[in-house]
Amino acid sequence: AQKITQTQPGMFVQEKEAVTLDCTYDTSDQSYGLFWYKQPSSGEMIFLIYQGSYDEQNATEGRYSLNFQKARKSANLVISASQLGDSAMYFCAMRELSGGSYIPTFGRGTSLIVHP
Amino acid sequence: NAGVTQTPKFQVLKTGQSMTLQCAQDMNHEYMSWYRQDPGMGLRLIHYSVGAGITDQGEVPNGYNVSRSTTEDFPLRLLSAAPSQTSVYFCASSHTGPSNYGYTFGSGTRLTVV
Repeated sequence: AQKITQTQPGMFVQEKEAVTLDCTYDTSDQSYGLFWYKQPSSGEMIFLIYQGSYDEQNATEGRYSLNFQKARKSANLVISASQLGDSAMYFCAMRELSGGSYIPTFGRGTSLIVHP
Repeated sequence: NAGVTQTPKFQVLKTGQSMTLQCAQDMNHEYMSWYRQDPGMGLRLIHYSVGAGITDQGEVPNGYNVSRSTTEDFPLRLLSAAPSQTSVYFCASSHTGPSNYGYTFGSGTRLTVV
């Protein structure tokens, strides 16, 4: 079973609208971290946002927010007021304890296209 | 600039050739790792290290070797290249522990094995 599941291979959104990218995770640990990364067509991996499993508030970073629903094991990324530059691949990742070290696992990604 | 430096950016190998992908970081990160990225597969962990002299296998280690003799460097060796190793390779590093430190990625190496 996949530890990180991103069910949307591709998403389309109109410029200035909000979009939610889904991510569910599977872990039996109590302490873990959730990340989202952006990969534009240039190929670089850009860190967007982090949520710790014990954080009670949803993480926010500018136009990015993480909708953390612990009981449902979901960590959806919400992008408000989409911009053309948001067109990219988005990866959800989870860091959990494995063999004494915190190791991240990445999902397969969601391709987001923002239309003008 | 501080960060993760990967070399080369592009490489074409013939089947059976060997080569080393270089990765260096200057942030004193304990954790370093290698991923391969294939279409539709996301990033898959090849090998990782949590400190000098310590390495471990990830999800797809076959055909690759690593070593960590210093905190800064974490080279990835392809022993005998195969077409199935055609991929984009990323090195990433971070501090260890359950913190909110993100992972810093190198710019990637696009490898083609013919």
